[in-house]
Amino acid sequence: EVQLVESGGGLVQPGGSLRLSCAASGFISSSYWMSWVRQAPGKGLEWVANIKQDGSEKYYVDSVKGRFTISRDNAKNSLYLQMNSLRAEDTAVYYCAVTLSRIYKYFDYWGQGTLVTVSS
Amino acid sequence: AIRMTQSPPSFSASTGDRVTMTCRASQGISSYLAWYQQKPGKAPKLLINAASTLQSGVPSRFSGSGIGTDFTLTISCLQSEDFATYYCQQYYSYPYSFGQGTKLEIK
Repeated sequence: EVQLVESGGGLVQPGGSLRLSCAASGFISSSYWMSWVRQAPGKGLEWVANIKQDGSEKYYVDSVKGRFTISRDNAKNSLYLQMNSLRAEDTAVYYCAVTLSRIYKYFDYWGQGTLVTVSS
Repeated sequence: AIRMTQSPPSFSASTGDRVTMTCRASQGISSYLAWYQQKPGKAPKLLINAASTLQSGVPSRFSGSGIGTDFTLTISCLQSEDFATYYCQQYYSYPYSFGQGTKLEIK
């Protein structure tokens, strides 16, 4: 059974940093693209970033470029999101998601999410 | 960036009804469209990919259609567990983007 479990969320002050983790199990995560998607309280979904199987390609939404870094450790079946220079508008539940298709980048499975609150 | 617009933002229906919601892309995305269902406090669940391909395990009362810029999600006979928010997503080009959602409520 595919499982994705996020951790690392919490309360952080504006300008601060946080590192999210996503532990994958039930599948060979190193074989698939993985992504972060966020959802502000009461709002819709926003794709944040994704990373290729070997980490050689990474893509970001414009609003986080230069501030967030996606990475992965295939030996640990883990995905990460380093978030720096956090802003109030980054407050959201952050989901990790996996794309099982080798060609198309929709999101087959999602974790339960971890809440990041940016506030003073 | 491609903008995805869903309509209506919300509507009410009764169990047994047939309902259709729409998703429009600001430019052509071929069939690179997915639909997700999200219930309060839960993660989204993939229903349909490639505009019309039903995910394994998703009931056949769900169907999707469309190509290019205009897409629809239809639920043929609403069940109580279908009341949720539905999102479309384009994966044609970066940055990937979602519609703002259609919330389906019980009448």
